[in-house]
Amino acid sequence: NAGVTQTPKFQVLKTGQSMTLQCAQDMNHEYMSWYRQDPGMGLRLIHYSVGAGITDQGEVPNGYNVSRSTTEDFPLRLLSAAPSQTSVYFCASQGETYNSPLHFGNGTRLTVT
Amino acid sequence: AQTVTQSQPEMSVQEAETVTLSCTYDTSENNYYLFWYKQPPSRQMILVIRQEAYKQQNATENRFSVNFQKAAKSFSLKISDSQLGDTAMYFCALTGANSKLTFGKGITLSVRP
Repeated sequence: NAGVTQTPKFQVLKTGQSMTLQCAQDMNHEYMSWYRQDPGMGLRLIHYSVGAGITDQGEVPNGYNVSRSTTEDFPLRLLSAAPSQTSVYFCASQGETYNSPLHFGNGTRLTVT
Repeated sequence: AQTVTQSQPEMSVQEAETVTLSCTYDTSENNYYLFWYKQPPSRQMILVIRQEAYKQQNATENRFSVNFQKAAKSFSLKISDSQLGDTAMYFCALTGANSKLTFGKGITLSVRP
C-alpha cells in the first residue's frame, strides 16, 4: 500500500517558470490537501478538495492552482514561480471523518531563484 | 477562526529523561480533535497521538501521553524515557467538524546522548 505519493522530491525553478507538483493516493480518500511548510510558520493550507470536481482555497492560495479530476490525483500548479514560493510542500489525504488523521506524502523541497 | 500556539521554538532533553512540549489553542467549536505530529529529519510527517475533546481521559501511546486541559485550552505532549529517535520537530494541530486542520508553528526537540 503506497499511501500518498508525491513527486518530485526536489525541484529548482527560475522566477517565472511554471511547474506541477504531483500527488496521488491509493486509499480512496475523498479529502485531499496541499500545505506549505516554512521555517517558524508551521504548515499552512494552500488548497483542498473534498472530492472529485470540488476544490477550495485554504489560508495561502495565491500563486497556486489545483484541480481534482479523479479521486486519486490532486496536482498543485505554480503558473509563474516567485522566490516567495520557495518552501517545502506537502500533499495529504484524509479519511471520511473530520477527525481522521492526515496521511502525508514525503514532501517536495522547492527552490525558486 | 481557530488558532494553535506553540510558544517554545526549541527544547533539549537528556536521553532517558522526560520532556513536556506545550501547546495552547482556541476554537469556537464544541466538537474538535487535537493531534501531535512528529517530523524527523527525514521530513516525513508522522501522527504521534490524537485526543478527542469530549473525552476527559488523556490519550496515551506507549511513551507518549498528553495532558489535556479543556477549560484552559491546553494540550501538552509528554515524552517519557526519551530516545535519540525522538529528535524531531513536533507540531500540535487542531481540527473541528466545521473547520480545517490548523497547525502550530512547531517545536524542535533535541535528545542528547
